[in-house]
Amino acid sequence: NAGVTQTPKFQVLKTGQSMTLQCAQDMNHEYMSWYRQDPGMGLRLIHYSVGAGITDQGEVPNGYNVSRSTTEDFPLRLLSAAPSQTSVYFCASSLPGRAAEAFFGQGTRLTVV
Amino acid sequence: AQSVTQPDIHITVSEGASLELRCNYSYGATPYLFWYVQSPGQGLQLLLKYFSGDTLVQGIKGFEAEFKRSQSSFNLRKPSVHWSDAAEYFCAVNTNAGKSTFGDGTTLTVKP
Repeated sequence: NAGVTQTPKFQVLKTGQSMTLQCAQDMNHEYMSWYRQDPGMGLRLIHYSVGAGITDQGEVPNGYNVSRSTTEDFPLRLLSAAPSQTSVYFCASSLPGRAAEAFFGQGTRLTVV
Repeated sequence: AQSVTQPDIHITVSEGASLELRCNYSYGATPYLFWYVQSPGQGLQLLLKYFSGDTLVQGIKGFEAEFKRSQSSFNLRKPSVHWSDAAEYFCAVNTNAGKSTFGDGTTLTVKP
């Protein structure tokens, strides 16, 4: 039972570099989301998707791009990394509906220098 | 707009003592409320949730929470804390379309 798998677990980038954080789930969940976690600020929603081909912006979308070509995968792209994007990134998936719980990956710790 | 407030950033309790973590929400419609726990270096795991029915809900690991509409609260409790409960706890409200709004979290330290 893999659940939600994020890769890599750790990454160091130089300012201006681009990269993609990978997220895959094997639970056939329609909904997937990306959050960033910063000390004392809880989790903030970056982008989310309610199904393949459908994405929308969350609370803090600037500097990030997403696409959802399959139900299973929801990659997050950093277009030009900035030190302000140093954070821990979590991918989550859930069934449709407000009563559904979110299942989280183990996170990617990203440092931008 | 919806919001979740966890007034306590950090709480320290002795092992075996009782625990209450506070959560207040702001949401116009019927709230769908969740408590998650995050152990160091891990993702979040669901402890319990409330969306209707009995206002006292039971969760995993001996946790419970009580929904009080009049106080807009959903406090998490445990009668006797174990050292393994040391973690960060998040309260969240689900709005729609897979979106959750989280509180800033409460870090629990357990003294031996």
